[in-house]
Amino acid sequence: EIVLTQSPGTLSLSPGERATLSCRASQSVSSTYLGWYQQKLGQAPRLLIYGATSRAAGIPDRFSGSGSGTDFTLTISRLEPEDFVVYYCQHYYSSPTFGQGTKLEIK
Amino acid sequence: QVTLKESGPALVKPTQTLTLTCTLSGFSLTTSGMRVSWIRQPPGKALEWLARIAWDGGKFYRTSLRTRLTISKDTSKNQVFLTVTNMDPVDTATYYCARDPVVGSNKGGFDYWGQGILVTVSS
Repeated sequence: EIVLTQSPGTLSLSPGERATLSCRASQSVSSTYLGWYQQKLGQAPRLLIYGATSRAAGIPDRFSGSGSGTDFTLTISRLEPEDFVVYYCQHYYSSPTFGQGTKLEIK
Repeated sequence: QVTLKESGPALVKPTQTLTLTCTLSGFSLTTSGMRVSWIRQPPGKALEWLARIAWDGGKFYRTSLRTRLTISKDTSKNQVFLTVTNMDPVDTATYYCARDPVVGSNKGGFDYWGQGILVTVSS
């Protein structure tokens, strides 16, 4: 089973700053099957990025994904107040797995 | 408009069997390439994928819970079901169903989610 490790666990930044969230896989994975989700408190997760780099429908262009092999990154170029929530990476091939999450908090 | 909605009991006793229903709207599990997954999230913890069912009847389970999970579908009612046997307090979680299409043109990941249902296991 592929294990996804997200870092940092908590990221403290200010609105307007750039956020870089990391997801590392325990073995090389196809970027085709790597996604990122945003989860606000009390809500279901929302797909942000699929295929490591493609934005899902309706996702603002300040969200971008990159990476390959074992290392993937979600970047939020200019943080808005509503972006300070929890983010998960996911590998969704044969036995889907999620990372443990990164909480983005206001500094 | 694609929607999914979970339903089932909010409270179950230890050792009981949990049965959840996911009602689909705006898409069909008879469509080639379509799948639905169940995911759960214990309070304050991370997401955990449980099971997946495909348009062709293919079923896939989380290895560690395989013996306790059963996923099934009723395409005439556009519903997907999840049963979890021998429930324990550690199974207390919000249970979500999500649309999980096979990767293709402009598709990938779990693109639509239900609102989730909190299931508490307690005597």
